[in-house]
Amino acid sequence: DSGVTQTPKHLITATGQRVTLRCSPRSGDLSVYWYQQSLDQGLQFLIQYYNGEERAKGNILERFSAQQFPDLHSELNLSSLELGDSALYFCASSPGGTGISPLHFGNGTRLTVT
Amino acid sequence: AQTVTQSQPEMSVQEAETVTLSCTYDTSESDYYLFWYKQPPSRQMILVIRQEAYKQQNATENRFSVNFQKAAKSFSLKISDSQLGDAAMYFCAYSNGNKLVFGAGTILRVKS
Repeated sequence: DSGVTQTPKHLITATGQRVTLRCSPRSGDLSVYWYQQSLDQGLQFLIQYYNGEERAKGNILERFSAQQFPDLHSELNLSSLELGDSALYFCASSPGGTGISPLHFGNGTRLTVT
Repeated sequence: AQTVTQSQPEMSVQEAETVTLSCTYDTSESDYYLFWYKQPPSRQMILVIRQEAYKQQNATENRFSVNFQKAAKSFSLKISDSQLGDAAMYFCAYSNGNKLVFGAGTILRVKS
């Protein structure tokens, strides 16, 4: 168990809808990272938050947004969903704001857009 | 931008044998960190091993070891005494202290 909790585990929704994915980092970790893994693909970095502030941005679409709350949990909001957004979304956390420490990954949220 | 390349989409190994997974990366940085992550069918991401670029000694973790060639920008993973539980997708990853960049992955199949 990595200590990173992601909810829900599975999500099925229709095109055009909006969903929210939630992540609770490991106790003591200040950074949260979001990654997208499409079917049989590698992991694409979306965004990183450190202690409530956006630290780094990757290939995140404008339809997607995220935030980290004072209790350090994070939410990834996906709107105007398209079929191509179907993927496994991972949250990971680390103690500091840099990628020096290994990331600890949650079990992911599998999003299916129909 | 940093890139990570895993040139072997799929590899097979006989149980108890040794296999090496390849990884190359491109960077202009001198200080960085390299990782191998394992993703079994459960899709969970599990850290296998980590290497700091400033360390010349290759990292080892039980049956897992790396061959880090900084000049060649190569970071291969050797799995000794392969076990059925080693079957998974393996991702090589690079970090310069900011975001972690992953390669496309190598599927490892273990034959009994």
